[in-house]
Amino acid sequence: GQQVMQIPQYQHVQEGEDFTTYCNSSTTLSNIQWYKQRPGGHPVFLIQLVKSGEVKKQKRLTFQFGEAKKNSSLHITATQTTDVGTYFCAGSGGGADGLTFGKGTHLIIQP
Amino acid sequence: EAGVTQFPSHSVIEKGQTVTLRCDPISGHDNLYWYRRVMGKEIKFLLHFVKESKQDESGMPNNRFLAERTGGTYSTLKVQPAELEDSGVYFCASSDYRGGSYEQYFGPGTRLTVT
Repeated sequence: GQQVMQIPQYQHVQEGEDFTTYCNSSTTLSNIQWYKQRPGGHPVFLIQLVKSGEVKKQKRLTFQFGEAKKNSSLHITATQTTDVGTYFCAGSGGGADGLTFGKGTHLIIQP
Repeated sequence: EAGVTQFPSHSVIEKGQTVTLRCDPISGHDNLYWYRRVMGKEIKFLLHFVKESKQDESGMPNNRFLAERTGGTYSTLKVQPAELEDSGVYFCASSDYRGGSYEQYFGPGTRLTVT
């Protein structure tokens, strides 16, 4: 079945440094979604990428979808303490299908 | 609009007992999903309802798990009998087509501990 690998598992950064998490799927995806989970919370939708090579930005967050639609990345510029949490990528076969999640990257920020 | 709600927030049961988890999706959302996160592992898909029909139940671990969505509104997930490895956080999510995507809205989860 479909597998989504995500690295790194943990990332410690100083506040103000950049952060990147990477996802790689074993199969071509119809789309990829990104979620953020704060400590003690639940996953909250950030964005969906659909097109090959797509790049989307949300303020300090930049999301990319690979040309082959098998990999994706999330880059945060100049991290802030509010960015703390676990970032998950989740692949979809299309439409309203259930998601295949990566293991997540725990972002820890040191002030 | 009200978000996805789940009940209970926590449940501690003994091995062999039965537990029923409930999920109320966002009103009007036809799609309802169950996911599970076992400690240290990824969030895993269990099943997907479209209204009252099971669209995909390929992620259900075994026949000790029974999900229902009578009337296409709220859903229940029953575990009978519970085993130690069933411990984890069970998330429910719902979605509808909006803005070009099926963004999934997650509930707060039910933390199940089987002792």
